[in-house]
Amino acid sequence: QQQVKQSPQSLIVQKGGISIINCAYENTAFDYFPWYQQFPGKGPALLIAIRPDVSEKKEGRFTISFNKSAKQFSLHIMDSQPGDSATYFCAASGGETSGSRLTFGEGTQLTVNP
Amino acid sequence: GAVVSQHPSRVICKSGTSVKIECRSLDFQATTMFWYRQFPKQSLMLMATSNEGSKATYEQGVEKDKFLINHASLTLSTLTVTSAHPEDSSFYICSASAGTKGHFGPGTRLTVT
Repeated sequence: QQQVKQSPQSLIVQKGGISIINCAYENTAFDYFPWYQQFPGKGPALLIAIRPDVSEKKEGRFTISFNKSAKQFSLHIMDSQPGDSATYFCAASGGETSGSRLTFGEGTQLTVNP
Repeated sequence: GAVVSQHPSRVICKSGTSVKIECRSLDFQATTMFWYRQFPKQSLMLMATSNEGSKATYEQGVEKDKFLINHASLTLSTLTVTSAHPEDSSFYICSASAGTKGHFGPGTRLTVT
C-alpha cells in the first residue's frame, strides 16, 4: 500500500525557474515530512523537513508548503540551477520512530536546463 | 556530524553465494538502524528495522532468512544477503538513528551474476 503519493514523475525546468513537486499522504499519524535529494549512485541527502504545526518552512532556495487538512505537502525550489538536477523524494514518518522509519514517495526526476 | 558509512560501496558476487554489507555510524551511537532497498529508477523501500542487541523487524514480503541483519553494537549493523540471485541485484542503503532523525549512508551497489 503506497501511503505517500508523489508527482510529477519527471520535471524539466529552465535555469532560474521554480521547480514544484507535490506529495500527498494518507496516514494521519504521520508527523514528520522530509524531502531528500539523491544523485545517481549516492544515498539520499536530507534537504529540508517540516512538522504539521507549521504551514511553511524555508531554507535558502528550498521551501516546503504544508496543508494539513488536505494531507498534502510540496517542495518549491526557487531559482533552479543545473546543479539541482537530481531525483527528489518526499517522505513521511510518525510515532515513536518519527524521522527514522520513513515511507517514501515514488520520486521526481528533476532536470534543470542551462 | 552524524556521518554514516557503508562498506563495500559496490560488490559483485556469483549467484548462490552470500555477501555481507556493513553500516557504521561514525560519530554517534545509533540505537536503531534501518535497511532500505532501491531498484533502478524506483523509490526506497524499507526492508527491516534493527535495534542494538535485539532481533530485527522485517517488513512484509521481506524474507528474514535470506536477508540476515545483525546489529551487534551501537555503531555497527550488518546485512547479509544469503544465497544471492540476480533478482537481489539492487542498491542497498542503511539509515542510522539516535533519536527522531535518521542519517543515510552512501549505499552499496550489489550485482549478482
